[in-house]
Amino acid sequence: QVQLQQSGAELAKPGSSVKISCKASGYTFTSYYISWIKQTTGQGLEYIGYINTGSGGTNYNEKFKGKATLTVDKSSSTAFMQLSSLTPDDSAVYYCARFGAAPFAYWGQGTLVTVSS
Amino acid sequence: DIVLTQAPLSVSVTPGESASISCRSSKSLLSSKGITSLYWYLQKPGKSPQLLIYRMSNLASGVPDRFSGSGSETDFTLKISKVETEDVGVYYCAQFLEYPFTFGSGTKLEIK
Repeated sequence: QVQLQQSGAELAKPGSSVKISCKASGYTFTSYYISWIKQTTGQGLEYIGYINTGSGGTNYNEKFKGKATLTVDKSSSTAFMQLSSLTPDDSAVYYCARFGAAPFAYWGQGTLVTVSS
Repeated sequence: DIVLTQAPLSVSVTPGESASISCRSSKSLLSSKGITSLYWYLQKPGKSPQLLIYRMSNLASGVPDRFSGSGSETDFTLKISKVETEDVGVYYCAQFLEYPFTFGSGTKLEIK
């Protein structure tokens, strides 16, 4: 069955970076894009962007350009999102989701990122 | 960006009764291919969102037929008939017509 397994919670200091992973299984990894979504209590669900897992091409929400960098390792069927220059506003749960004909039919379990000094 | 406005903010329902949630879009979600790109998700407490309805009115795999979606180009409704306790959570509409994809702010369903 399709599974997206995300890395564990992160505690980071302001100004630093974190890199979250999303390991896919149960399907052909390069047949579907991987998207990333941010969830906060105040802003709800926000689309960050997607990565073409075959070509590595990316599409970013303008709001997250310069903040998020999406990459992929096809050999391990894993997508990554790096968040840089962290501030407390980046504290959130981040999800990866498979993007196909039925967008976001499969989600990872979420990764909590807490930014605090 | 396309703005999706959901109502109500929360709804409290007696098991066995029905509930309706509204989602209004700031722009038509009807594509040139005749597809209405409006989706519904349910996020149960402590879980990731799950897909309920795709393309406005199509039931996702494994979703009970108590759930149904309808609407026009800008106004959409999710109806849950015969609500069960397992239906509690936050319901979100989402659009995938244009980048950036956007979500409604959510409607919390509680059981009386």
